[in-house]
Amino acid sequence: AQSVTQLGSHVSVSEGALVLLRCNYSSSVPPYLFWYVQYPNQGLQLLLKYTTGATLVKGINGFEAEFKKSETSFHLTKPSAHMSDAAEYFCAVSDYDGSGDKLTFGTGTRLAVRP
Amino acid sequence: EAGVAQSPRYKIIEKRQSVAFWCNPISGHATLYWYQQILGQGPKLLIQFQNNGVVDDSQLPKDRFSAERLKGVDSTLKIQPAKLEDSAVYLCASSVVYPPEQFFGPGTRLTVL
Repeated sequence: AQSVTQLGSHVSVSEGALVLLRCNYSSSVPPYLFWYVQYPNQGLQLLLKYTTGATLVKGINGFEAEFKKSETSFHLTKPSAHMSDAAEYFCAVSDYDGSGDKLTFGTGTRLAVRP
Repeated sequence: EAGVAQSPRYKIIEKRQSVAFWCNPISGHATLYWYQQILGQGPKLLIQFQNNGVVDDSQLPKDRFSAERLKGVDSTLKIQPAKLEDSAVYLCASSVVYPPEQFFGPGTRLTVL
């Protein structure tokens, strides 16, 4: 069974500082990995995904993540935080079986951005 | 392209009452998912449909929860009777079979008093 661990339920950074949100996964098969963002009272929006190919994945809003198989990690980074990045971020691993993917989510990391 | 639609957005009921949520997926998306997101946790899959058939309902509390997908398009999720611990946001998502990318609706926030 897949599982996801997000270290740090709350992260606070200054505007313009590096954003690093950590995600480690457990999967018995080559994983598909995702980062979603959730703004208050909204659904989840896909930031980026890793399926196959290049291990450094670029997403929307300047975010990127690197798949490291040896470390079973998929950490999310952004070089310079913006106030609008304040939200909750979820890492997820997919159990894709040909009939659609079943996502297992981490518990989320709430990002605060200080002026 | 229209996104995933859900209604109502908010619902407050008393325990032991029943409630139903509605979801309209993105046109052409064969797969539909219902998730439960309890405050402070990540979403948890309740049920997955492909067209109008159930693919996975292993985490659906079948004694009180039921779901159907009419004609492979819209879906309803029902809780009867509701318990306090059912207070959560219920998210609907849809996707094509491949590539794996789920599109989420805005959710329905349920409060059980």
